[in-house]
Amino acid sequence: AQSVTQLGSHVSVSEGALVLLRCNYSSSVPPYLFWYVQYPNQGLQLLLKYTSAATLVKGINGFEAEFKKSETSFHLTKPSAHMRDAAEYFCAVRPGGANSKLTFGKGITLSVRP
Amino acid sequence: NAGVTQTPKFQVLKTGQSMTLQCAQDMNHEYMSWYRQDPGMGLRLIHYSVGAGITDQGEVPNGYNVSRSTTEDFPLRLLSAAPSQTSVYFCASSGQSFYGYTFGSGTRLTVV
Repeated sequence: AQSVTQLGSHVSVSEGALVLLRCNYSSSVPPYLFWYVQYPNQGLQLLLKYTSAATLVKGINGFEAEFKKSETSFHLTKPSAHMRDAAEYFCAVRPGGANSKLTFGKGITLSVRP
Repeated sequence: NAGVTQTPKFQVLKTGQSMTLQCAQDMNHEYMSWYRQDPGMGLRLIHYSVGAGITDQGEVPNGYNVSRSTTEDFPLRLLSAAPSQTSVYFCASSGQSFYGYTFGSGTRLTVV
């Protein structure tokens, strides 16, 4: 079985500061990893995904994430936060192969201070 | 390209009533799933399907039924609504497993 841990439920940064949202996973087989963003009262939008090609993955809106197998981590970063980045962010893991379910972490709310 | 369409967007039910949440996708995706989202709990998998005629339980299946008679549709049935089923429900679909899921806009359900 697979699982995702997102430590902390809320992160607050100043506009222009580095954004770092942590994600650790467990999976019995090589996983596919995803970050989703949810803006208030909206559905989930895919930010980026790791599918075993490059370990540094670039996504939309200036976000990127690095897959580190030795640390079982897939942390999300953005060099400079913008007010529009305020949202809830979910990390998710999906084992490769048939019958693979997508399992989410509990999510982290990002606030951006002016 | 409509993507994943969920109806209704909002619903209020009385305890004990039944209803069906509709989900349709037009991307010919094999995988479809239903999640519920509750504050502080993230998204929890209710049921999922890997193709027409094949369904399986997720993390929180009790009180819900699904069927997948066609590739496009994956309705979620609440058999006898309870206040604990008050939540936001998302349907999602995916092609191959290395693709991310595409999510619908959600159904906000309140059971009183």
